[in-house]
Amino acid sequence: EAGVAQSPRYKIIEKRQSVAFWCNPISGHATLYWYQQILGQGPKLLIQFQNNGVVDDSQLPKDRFSAERLKGVDSTLKIQPAKLEDSAVYLCASSEPGGTSENEQFFGPGTRLTVL
Amino acid sequence: DAKTTQPNSMESNEEEPVHLPCNHSTISGTDYIHWYRQLPSQGPEYVIHGLTSNVNNRMASLAIAEDRKSSTLILHRATLRDAAVYYCILTNSGYALNFGKGTSLLVTP
Repeated sequence: EAGVAQSPRYKIIEKRQSVAFWCNPISGHATLYWYQQILGQGPKLLIQFQNNGVVDDSQLPKDRFSAERLKGVDSTLKIQPAKLEDSAVYLCASSEPGGTSENEQFFGPGTRLTVL
Repeated sequence: DAKTTQPNSMESNEEEPVHLPCNHSTISGTDYIHWYRQLPSQGPEYVIHGLTSNVNNRMASLAIAEDRKSSTLILHRATLRDAAVYYCILTNSGYALNFGKGTSLLVTP
């Protein structure tokens, strides 16, 4: 079974530029998550989708971050404009339908963003 | 979400058992206890989870205190590949994981 795919793996941009990350979840997984992991910290949820609807985006900085999940499969996360503090690893995860407390989340390898 | 407390770091010798503790004194009756680990330069991966009873799988064992206010992840024979950050997470809503800083496990030959 293929895992969660993310691209690019690495990205370096200058502040005020825009950047986009792509995620392809495991086939059949209805729930998709984007997490931000700053160096030395645990991942922090940015946004959660159930199919193509947003379940939780309370920690997404909406003035600069946006995310979409068209057709309930792939998802893109965009930052516009980027700030220095956005330097982090962006992790995508997915889980099976139902979203119970027992559901295992499967994580992709992440995209490491460096903002100069 | 209820919070968890873990030691910042632990060290183990290769091929010896490792007991990783987690305190969660404010756990609610419906909170599941999940453990994930993150190897260097990789995304987190699921290790094990439980509700009330002790659990075993091919990776580890989870021992849950009778009052559920603490739990211990047990790696029966640590290998170098087990060096990672281990996260103890409580989930109730059934959705996103609330990661803390976890325990950084160092395994020495």
